[in-house]
Amino acid sequence: EVQLVESGGGLVQPGGSLRLSCAASGFTFSSYWMSWVRQAPGKGLEWVANIKQDGSEKYYVDSVKGRFTISRDNAKNSLYLQMNSLRAEDTAVYYCARDVQVIDYWGQGTLVTVSS
Amino acid sequence: QSALTQPASVSGSPGQSITISCTGTSSDVGGYNYVSWYQQHPGKAPKLMIYDVSNRPSGVSNRFSGSKSGNTASLTISGLQAEDEADYYCSSYTSSSTLVFGTGTKVTVL
Repeated sequence: EVQLVESGGGLVQPGGSLRLSCAASGFTFSSYWMSWVRQAPGKGLEWVANIKQDGSEKYYVDSVKGRFTISRDNAKNSLYLQMNSLRAEDTAVYYCARDVQVIDYWGQGTLVTVSS
Repeated sequence: QSALTQPASVSGSPGQSITISCTGTSSDVGGYNYVSWYQQHPGKAPKLMIYDVSNRPSGVSNRFSGSKSGNTASLTISGLQAEDEADYYCSSYTSSSTLVFGTGTKVTVL
């Protein structure tokens, strides 16, 4: 059974940093692209970033370029999202997701709140 | 990276059929058959309902079907049931190797 479990969310002040983690199991993690998707309170889904199997390609939505960094550790079956210079508009539930040009599996999400 | 356009809300009575549209461009919906649809109930993670335009994952009811014409994809729910009341989002792969989601549609069962 595919499982994706996010952690690392919480309350952070504007301008601060946070690192999200996602532990993957139930599939060969190193064989798949992975994505982060977020959803602000009461709003729709927004794709944030993705990363190729070996980490050699990474893509980001314009609003996080230069502030967020996606990475992975295939030996640990883990996906990460380093978020710097956080803004109020980054407040959202962040989902880890398996990406096969379609998101076929989602984690349960971790809430990030950016507020003073 | 503009969101795909969906109607804000669609409603129908039990047993009826409804269709949700998802309009993009030739750089996303129109250019690839990687269009998917997700169902999301309040407080829950999205659930994949349709992938690659018209394919259903194992376990998804055959009351859900998908199609595409040009830059517009559609999700049809037939035999509408109370449990179908939820938010629905489309998504497409793009020419920039990214993904883009639709604006979301709230389905109400009257």
